[in-house]
Amino acid sequence: GAVVSQHPSWVICKSGTSVKIECRSLDFQATTMFWYRQFPKQSLMLMATSNEGSKATYEQGVEKDKFLINHASLTLSTLTVTSAHPEDSSFYICSARDFRATYEQYFGPGTRLTVT
Amino acid sequence: SQQGEEDPQALSIQEGENATMNCSYKTSINNLQWYRQNSGRGLVHLILIRSNEREKHSGRLRVTLDTSKKSSSLLITASRAADTASYFCATDPGNTGKLIFGQGTTLQVKP
Repeated sequence: GAVVSQHPSWVICKSGTSVKIECRSLDFQATTMFWYRQFPKQSLMLMATSNEGSKATYEQGVEKDKFLINHASLTLSTLTVTSAHPEDSSFYICSARDFRATYEQYFGPGTRLTVT
Repeated sequence: SQQGEEDPQALSIQEGENATMNCSYKTSINNLQWYRQNSGRGLVHLILIRSNEREKHSGRLRVTLDTSKKSSSLLITASRAADTASYFCATDPGNTGKLIFGQGTTLQVKP
């Protein structure tokens, strides 16, 4: 099956710093990627949709200036958490939709962010 | 916003027993998907059932869909310790790829 990777798998940063998370589709092209956030023992919440070559669209309540998304190529999307605060500590998961497939999405392994 | 409700929230069974998880959703759908998540890991796609299907099988998995009740169930037969994980249903009402996940069921299978 298709593979999506994320880097880093975990990161610890200090309050006020920025962290970049990469999401790559390894063996297929993804015109659309999605970023989800998951707090401990909770479900996944969609944050934003990353579109190759255009601006990302954000879900209600998600600050676009805080969570910068760039989808520079058909295989790479990045999420940058700017001026991180402890409440941004979470598990961030990306998914990519294979434009050749109708419904199936492939999820990355996730990135654990801890802000101290 | 979350539209799926799942029950039970947690389920603990012995190896070899069957596990049933239920999911309800609120809007009309084209399909419903089930995913598994091992602790601290990403999601693995298990099965997709289309809105015109009532039941689907994949190995030890059986999924049912009742669009009149807006509910689905996932049955894992002859469970194994390796089935221990969280299970989520997800819908994509607008077929945009934006998945709306249920709250999830945490399954523990004791050896």
